[in-house]
Amino acid sequence: GQNIDQPTEMTATEGAIVQINCTYQTSGFNGLFWYQQHAGEAPTFLSYNVLDGLEEKGRFSSFLSRSKGYSYLLLKELQMKDSASYLCAVLDSNYQLIWGAGTKLIIKP
Amino acid sequence: IAGITQAPTSQILAAGRRMTLRCTQDMRHNAMYWYRQDLGLGLRLIHYSNTAGTTGKGEVPDGYSVSRANTDDFPLTLASAVPSQTSVYFCASSDSGGMATEAFFGQGTRLTVV
Repeated sequence: GQNIDQPTEMTATEGAIVQINCTYQTSGFNGLFWYQQHAGEAPTFLSYNVLDGLEEKGRFSSFLSRSKGYSYLLLKELQMKDSASYLCAVLDSNYQLIWGAGTKLIIKP
Repeated sequence: IAGITQAPTSQILAAGRRMTLRCTQDMRHNAMYWYRQDLGLGLRLIHYSNTAGTTGKGEVPDGYSVSRANTDDFPLTLASAVPSQTSVYFCASSDSGGMATEAFFGQGTRLTVV
């Protein structure tokens, strides 16, 4: 079967750095997405990786290793507004998105 | 309208009733999707449409139907609602079928079936 695993919840301190991991087992791979979802709101796009390596975009970076079936989202200089759920999703061989359950990130002052 | 809009934002529905959730986008995206989101589970695809006039079944299609008469609209119908269909429903669109590009989501419809 297809599976996306990410931690259910993480806690970090304002101003710090946090890494949210995602491992996947899917039938084929056509890219990996990270989305941010604030409570009661719609998911919004953060990043897309299809090649191995690190993609940096401001305070957020996303890393992919296809051989290991592994990605992480790195958030630097954490702000209170970063408190949200972070969703990992993989595009499989049929170009269907398989979603993880999301990681709820709690930022403490 | 800016982006993708869903209606209603929330609804309480009696079991056995028929209900249509509306979704409209003004970005001229070819592909549209309906997801449900339940606590502790990832977004699950109900139905999708890669272009106007075509639809396909997702992971959890039973009890739901869709139509895509034009590019902008993608309504989701529950023919006879059951309590297990209590969920938050998100409509999404992307510029190409297959979602290898960024997807844009509506604000969601919170449906409670009693």
